[in-house]
Amino acid sequence: QVQLQESGPGLVKPSQTLSLTCTVSGASISNDNFFWSWIRQHPGKGLEWIGNIYNSGSSYYNPSLKSRFNISVDTSKSQFSLRLSSVTAADTGVYYCARGRIAVPATGWFDPWGQGTPVTVSS
Amino acid sequence: EIVLTQSPGTLSLSPGERATLSCRASQSVRFSYLAWYQHKPGQAPRLLIYDASSGATGIPDRFSGSGSGTDFTLTISRLEPEDFGIYYCQQYGSSPLTFGGGTKVEIK
Repeated sequence: QVQLQESGPGLVKPSQTLSLTCTVSGASISNDNFFWSWIRQHPGKGLEWIGNIYNSGSSYYNPSLKSRFNISVDTSKSQFSLRLSSVTAADTGVYYCARGRIAVPATGWFDPWGQGTPVTVSS
Repeated sequence: EIVLTQSPGTLSLSPGERATLSCRASQSVRFSYLAWYQHKPGQAPRLLIYDASSGATGIPDRFSGSGSGTDFTLTISRLEPEDFGIYYCQQYGSSPLTFGGGTKVEIK
């Protein structure tokens, strides 16, 4: 059974860099049929796709978001990570990692998801 | 960017009733690449349907999806008490990947 688990600090100060890690178990992170994603949910709002990374290291990001995000993968640890620089209160929310099944390049559906990790940006 | 609009915002039904959830896209979704998810508080979202009408592994057959182009529907044929939650549609026919705003299903 494939499982994903997010980890990271629950509280970050404004202007700092947020780093989150997703640990994958039960499946190979190197499988070329899948990509690995971060999705977030602002309080009381819907879901927002942040970006994907592939086994090759290629990554795609939501162009609606400012280019403060960086997703990386460490296949040796079966982990992928999200870094968000210069955080503000607007970055507060729950951050989910998910495995994506490739439909066409750079897109697909998400299954499974992690339980999500809450992040609060506050001084 | 494809905007997905879900309706109704909230659906309040009794166990055994049929639930019909709508997802309308601002432009045609290529190849009917649309998925549906169920999300309960404190839990991971769960994939229900992909490719508009294909059931995900382990999903009860009371969940079904239909539609193409710009109009898609998720139907729960006979509501069970455990079906409460927020249901989201997501399109993956083009980038950026986008989600609808969700429909909250309440069990009376």
